Amino acid sequence: GAVVSQHPSRVICKSGTSVKIECRSLDFQATTMFWYRQFPKQSLMLMATSNEGSKATYEQGVEKDKFLINHASLTLSTLTVTSAHPEDSSFYICSARFGGRETQYFGPGTRLLVL
Amino acid sequence: KQEVTQIPAALSVPEGENLVLNCSFTDSAIYNLQWFRQDPGKGLTSLLLIQSSQREQTSGRLNASLDKSSGRSTLYIAASQPGDSATYLCAVLNSGNTPLVFGKGTRLSVIA
Repeated sequence: GAVVSQHPSRVICKSGTSVKIECRSLDFQATTMFWYRQFPKQSLMLMATSNEGSKATYEQGVEKDKFLINHASLTLSTLTVTSAHPEDSSFYICSARFGGRETQYFGPGTRLLVL
Repeated sequence: KQEVTQIPAALSVPEGENLVLNCSFTDSAIYNLQWFRQDPGKGLTSLLLIQSSQREQTSGRLNASLDKSSGRSTLYIAASQPGDSATYLCAVLNSGNTPLVFGKGTRLSVIA
């Protein structure tokens, strides 16, 4: 199956700093990428959907100025958590899809801990 | 808005038992449904994908069924093993360029 990578896999940062997470589709062109957040023992909650070359569409309650998403190419999307706070500590998972109805492929996730 | 519910939230069974995990969804106009496995602190592993026109899919000891009209799916695990212990997530894809919508999952513990 298709491969989606995320980097870094784990990051610890101080409160107030910004953190960038990369999501890459390694063997296919991802026209659409999704960013999910998962708190401990909770399910995946969609944060935003991004189409290559377009602005991301954010879910209700997700601050677009805090969670900056860039999908500049068909193989790379980035999520930047700006001015991170301890409550942003979570597991962030990206997902990529080609076309409107193809399978979503998931990255391995990034564990963010904000001290 | 599509909502996905999984029952039970947690399940503990002795090794060797057959078990059923349940998933229900509110909007029956789905394109497909997927079952995932997630180990603690890890990403998702896709187990089975059922297209809306299909009734079931099988992979090894796993069998997933889909009753689209009633908005239900079940994941059947035969002869459970301790290695099956994980969280199992059900997710549905509606028509159009929409993302997967996930249930909260069922945490399964298989006791040796």
